[in-house]
Amino acid sequence: GQNIDQPTEMTATEGAIVQINCTYQTSGFNGLFWYQQHAGEAPTFLSYNVLDGLEEKGRFSSFLSRSKGYSYLLLKELQMKDSASYLCAVDDSNYQLIWGAGTKLIIKP
Amino acid sequence: DADVTQTPRNRITKTGKRIMLECSQTKGHDRMYWYRQDPGLGLRLIYYSFDVKDINKGEISDGYSVSRQAQAKFSLSLESAIPNQTALYFCATSDPPQGTDTQYFGPGTRLTVL
Repeated sequence: GQNIDQPTEMTATEGAIVQINCTYQTSGFNGLFWYQQHAGEAPTFLSYNVLDGLEEKGRFSSFLSRSKGYSYLLLKELQMKDSASYLCAVDDSNYQLIWGAGTKLIIKP
Repeated sequence: DADVTQTPRNRITKTGKRIMLECSQTKGHDRMYWYRQDPGLGLRLIYYSFDVKDINKGEISDGYSVSRQAQAKFSLSLESAIPNQTALYFCATSDPPQGTDTQYFGPGTRLTVL
């Protein structure tokens, strides 16, 4: 079956670095997305990886290993506004995105 | 102006009532989607449409129907609402010919069925 796993909740300190992991098992693969979602708001696109390796975009980076079915989102220099849920989603090449349940990130001062 | 809009933003209704949620987009995208989100669960796909004449059931279509009135409009109906349809509903659009199937979401409709 199709499955995406990510931790339910993580806590980190303002100014620190945090890594949010995502593992997936899908019937097909055409790329992996990371979205940010603040409570009660819409998900917003952060990153897309289709090739192995690291994609850096400001304070956020995303890594993909297709052979391991694994990705992570790295957030540096954490700010209070980064408190949100982070959603991992895989394009399974079947016209749909398969979504993880999301990781709630709590930032403490 | 927002690219993807949803109306209403909040709705409280009673069991058995028919309700329609509307989605409009100015992005010019062909693909549109309806999701529901429940606490602790991922986004679950209800219906999706790749153009006006192409509508497909998603993972959880029972109890829902949709209408694609135009490229820019995609409506979701609950024919007879029940309490377990209380959730946050999102509309999304995408345009794969631009390279990736990145989905862009509306602000959501919070629906409560009493």
